[in-house]
Amino acid sequence: DTEVTQTPKHLVMGMTNKKSLKCEQHMGHRAMYWYKQKAKKPPELMFVYSYEKLSINESVPSRFSPECPNSSLLNLHLHALQPEDSALYLCASSQDRGVWNQPQHFGDGTRLSIL
Amino acid sequence: GDSVTQMEGPVTLSEEAFLTINCTYTATGYPSLFWYVQYPGEGLQLLLKATKADDKGSNKGFEATYRKETTSFHLEKGSVQVSDSAVYFCALSLEGAQKLVFGQGTRLTINP
Repeated sequence: DTEVTQTPKHLVMGMTNKKSLKCEQHMGHRAMYWYKQKAKKPPELMFVYSYEKLSINESVPSRFSPECPNSSLLNLHLHALQPEDSALYLCASSQDRGVWNQPQHFGDGTRLSIL
Repeated sequence: GDSVTQMEGPVTLSEEAFLTINCTYTATGYPSLFWYVQYPGEGLQLLLKATKADDKGSNKGFEATYRKETTSFHLEKGSVQVSDSAVYFCALSLEGAQKLVFGQGTRLTINP
């Protein structure tokens, strides 16, 4: 069983909709990550939160808006997405962003389709 | 820049065959190295890791040794099973950095 829980598992939305992806972990990790994964490609980092503060934004378009309400939760708010944003969105967590030899733990992802 | 290169796939083997998936890296410092596995419809799972030269990571019959002299971290398994069919990613992280650098992934299919 994965220790990082993502909801929903699947999401279909129109280009004018607003929706949110949710991620939760209860391992006491203080770093959380959003990745985007296209088919047959490795994950691409989008955002990193460390101690509930945004520490990395990989030049992600503003139609993606991350939020970290507390140390266990991470949200990704979506608005006015484009068809090319269809992908698997993965959340991950790790002990601390500075602990470079600790692995990241991934959720099973949300498969997003934009109509 | 820092990078990871994996052998191109897809790789198809018969059950009980020996597996090697090659991984080499380029890094400015001394990275930690990881193998992640992604089963169909799932996220990535950590398979094994090594944090310094000559360390051997192992899990579920898979092994990989951190070779600083050849900048490699090849994944091996002596006898694969159908259930090992998945995509395998080699990755590195560097001290002070906040991100994983992934290879392109190798799709492995094991036939009964």
